[in-house]
Amino acid sequence: DARVTQTPRHKVTEMGQEVTMRCQPILGHNTVFWYRQTMMQGLELLAYFRNRAPLDDSGMPKDRFSAEMPDATLATLKIQPSEPRDSAVYFCASGLVRDRGPRNTEAFFGQGTRLTVV
Amino acid sequence: AQSVTQLDSQVPVFEEAPVELRCNYSSSVSVYLFWYVQYPNQGLQLLLKYLSGSTLVKGINGFEAEFNKSQTSFHLRKPSVHISDTAEYFCAVSDPFSGSARQLTFGSGTQLTVLP
Repeated sequence: DARVTQTPRHKVTEMGQEVTMRCQPILGHNTVFWYRQTMMQGLELLAYFRNRAPLDDSGMPKDRFSAEMPDATLATLKIQPSEPRDSAVYFCASGLVRDRGPRNTEAFFGQGTRLTVV
Repeated sequence: AQSVTQLDSQVPVFEEAPVELRCNYSSSVSVYLFWYVQYPNQGLQLLLKYLSGSTLVKGINGFEAEFNKSQTSFHLRKPSVHISDTAEYFCAVSDPFSGSARQLTFGSGTQLTVLP
């Protein structure tokens, strides 16, 4: 049963601490998305990778957020230093997008990391 | 640029009643359309998608949606809801030929609450 795996599921941390969220995309998928979900803003796209290369991270605050894909089986989202306004649920999603022709961007979501910064 | 509007943020409905969740999109080009469901404390799960062909699309759990190009709508329907359908539902649109990375745009969501 292929699925996107995110760890940890829950994280409570103090303001100023570094937070690292991890995502294992579905094997064979070539795209990874990071979304943030809050009551106020809904689902916001933070970053997007294709074939491990970052294609768009314009939705991410650059001064404190960073996203990487060290290899095809791992994507990370780091916040340093964390702030209370970063409290949200962070979702990773993966998909398979063809390089040519119409791009079916169906995304498969993980269960999310609920981050609370106090 | 494409956008998605879900007109109703909350939809309460009694069990076994029909329901329609509305979704309108704006895009200057052809689109793919999706409905996702999010159960409490879970990620988003694909309900159904329209890529091409028949405008009436059937999905999981008895849901269906109809693509209406002239109305730029993709409303989600179910003839008889169950308590277990209580969840948040997201409409999403993508431009299949866009070179932009922001290919999948989500609406703000509709909370469906099924009452006994």
